[in-house]
Amino acid sequence: GENVEQHPSTLSVQEGDSAVIKCTYSDSASNYFPWYKQELGKRPQLIIDIRSNVGEKKDQRIAVTLNKTAKHFSLHITETQPEDSAVYFCAPENQGGKLIFGQGTELSVKP
Amino acid sequence: NAGVMQNPRHLVRRRGQEARLRCSPMKGHSHVYWYRQLPEEGLKFMVYLQKENIIDESGMPKERFSAEFPKEGPSILRIQQVVRGDSAAYFCASSPAEYEQYFGPGTRLTVT
Repeated sequence: GENVEQHPSTLSVQEGDSAVIKCTYSDSASNYFPWYKQELGKRPQLIIDIRSNVGEKKDQRIAVTLNKTAKHFSLHITETQPEDSAVYFCAPENQGGKLIFGQGTELSVKP
Repeated sequence: NAGVMQNPRHLVRRRGQEARLRCSPMKGHSHVYWYRQLPEEGLKFMVYLQKENIIDESGMPKERFSAEFPKEGPSILRIQQVVRGDSAAYFCASSPAEYEQYFGPGTRLTVT
């Protein structure tokens, strides 16, 4: 089955710094690559996504880059704020629509 | 436009009882997915449904678990004869077609 790995598992940054989380996947047929943010006890929230025909997508302080040849995509958060603290999941889409979630990255932004 | 709705938000069942979880997708969404999340883990896919059809149930245990998405009404995830290992957060997500999936608030099932 699809194998998805995220790195790092925990990330601590100072407010204002940048944060980068990397996700590698194994299914070369995947065409859709979302990132979700989950705060404690809350639902996963879709924050950005990219499709395989695009290499990069940006939305304000958040960007996603995709290297389909190498089968990895990354989440970039600039000018981090304390409210960015949460667990972030990559979830590349497997054939047929289901999302395969990584194990998550716990981001802590220190004021 | 209301988001994805799930109820109940919390459910406590004794071992051997049945748990019934409901999910109402966003308006206009005909695709529903169920995922399970154990503490401090990622979400694991269980089942994908469209109206009146199960599209992919490869992540759902063969025994005790079933899901439906009838023509009218919410999608239901049913767990019969619950065991302690079924304790988890169960999330449903909906999408209008392929790709973007929006999650509900989840049902936290506790089996005592």
